[in-house]
Amino acid sequence: RKEVEQDPGPFNVPEGATVAFNCTYSNSASQSFFWYRQDCRKEPKLLMSVYSSGNEDGRFTAQLNRASQYISLLIRDSKLSDSATYLCVVMRGSYIPTFGRGTSLIVHP
Amino acid sequence: DVKVTQSSRYLVKRTGEKVFLECVQDMDHENMFWYRQDPGLGLRLIYFSYDVKMKEKGDIPEGYSVSREKKERFSLILESASTNQTSMYLCASSSGQVGGSEQFFGPGTRLTVL
Repeated sequence: RKEVEQDPGPFNVPEGATVAFNCTYSNSASQSFFWYRQDCRKEPKLLMSVYSSGNEDGRFTAQLNRASQYISLLIRDSKLSDSATYLCVVMRGSYIPTFGRGTSLIVHP
Repeated sequence: DVKVTQSSRYLVKRTGEKVFLECVQDMDHENMFWYRQDPGLGLRLIYFSYDVKMKEKGDIPEGYSVSREKKERFSLILESASTNQTSMYLCASSSGQVGGSEQFFGPGTRLTVL
């Protein structure tokens, strides 16, 4: 099993739709988790951290399920500008990140 | 505005050449990282450094070395470039916060080895 796995997609959704991505991880000792967003031909940027209690930021909600070892990202009311690749990050130890390969989202009119 | 800069956006080199990629951050971050990103393979960690003059191998260090003589600068060196090192190289930095903190990325260097 890979350390961090994501469905590459693409997820093709209409504007206004709700879409969810999952990311599974293999190391049960992992403590910190993040979602990054990467636009085409740009560098990744932090979207949000994932806390044990969940985390919501506007239309975006991130959740952690330790028992099943996955994190999720929910996007409500999708916008065209949400089209990007979403990267899951799981920390190994204190500061070494492992990136998933990313999930591609395409929001169409 | 926080910044990570990389010395070149595009670079073309010949097989066997020595290649230097430089990265500078202005955030006084302890940690710095070098990744390569290839289609279908995602971001893979080459080397990282958690302090000046300290370096640790990542997942794919073969064919690369690094140097960190100053806190703000982290260099990636390809001793003898090969065609399979054609890739997008991304540098990142983060603070030394336990448990991990946000990584700030540079714009990337697209290296082509002919």
